Amino acid sequence: DQQVKQNSPSLSVQEGRISILNCDYTNSMFDYFLWYKKYPAEGPTFLISISSIKDKNEDGRFTVFLNKSAKHLSLHIVPSQPGDSAVYFCAASPLSGTSYGKLTFGQGTILTVHP
Amino acid sequence: DADVTQTPRNRITKTGKRIMLECSQTKGHDRMYWYRQDPGLGLRLIYYSFDVKDINKGEISDGYSVSRQAQAKFSLSLESAIPNQTALYFCATSTSDLELSSYNEQFFGPGTRLTVL
Repeated sequence: DQQVKQNSPSLSVQEGRISILNCDYTNSMFDYFLWYKKYPAEGPTFLISISSIKDKNEDGRFTVFLNKSAKHLSLHIVPSQPGDSAVYFCAASPLSGTSYGKLTFGQGTILTVHP
Repeated sequence: DADVTQTPRNRITKTGKRIMLECSQTKGHDRMYWYRQDPGLGLRLIYYSFDVKDINKGEISDGYSVSRQAQAKFSLSLESAIPNQTALYFCATSTSDLELSSYNEQFFGPGTRLTVL
């Protein structure tokens, strides 16, 4: 049972436009969410995170929005750049309990930004 | 220098062979993880270790074993490799130090591409 889902396997965007990547989760014990970016032949690298006490977190061109009632989060990249082309993984974790510290990942979304 | 290193980076082996993938880290983290990545399935947790004496199964541990030789070293073994273990394998680390702003993040190695024929 996939507890974290990224339903769009790929997304194609024009340079300068907004990229919106979506993620849904089912486990109500999750209270910390992260986005990772992965380039080919490299490991995933941390991009941005948000705790469940917030509904928005911004870092430069990257903003993550969290809708707890809908169990949905999204990553906005504005403006998109060709160097943003990568696989983006959404991940979730509880902040307490026996699963604290474990991340559950989504399937990933391949973002392609065209010049 | 890379904080999390994995060896080998690529490996081709045959069905039934024993394989060991190694992970070392210089981040001083106490927690270490092994994941595999398959197309369309994302990253799935194989095993994790919250300190040297603590080893736990993840969601897909069957066919795998691990050893935490030291705080900085965590190895993954495939006792008898089979073709459906062909995948990208990633090691990751994290800290349990709540004083650090990064304590909820995991830091990944570059990965090992394993092919089982």
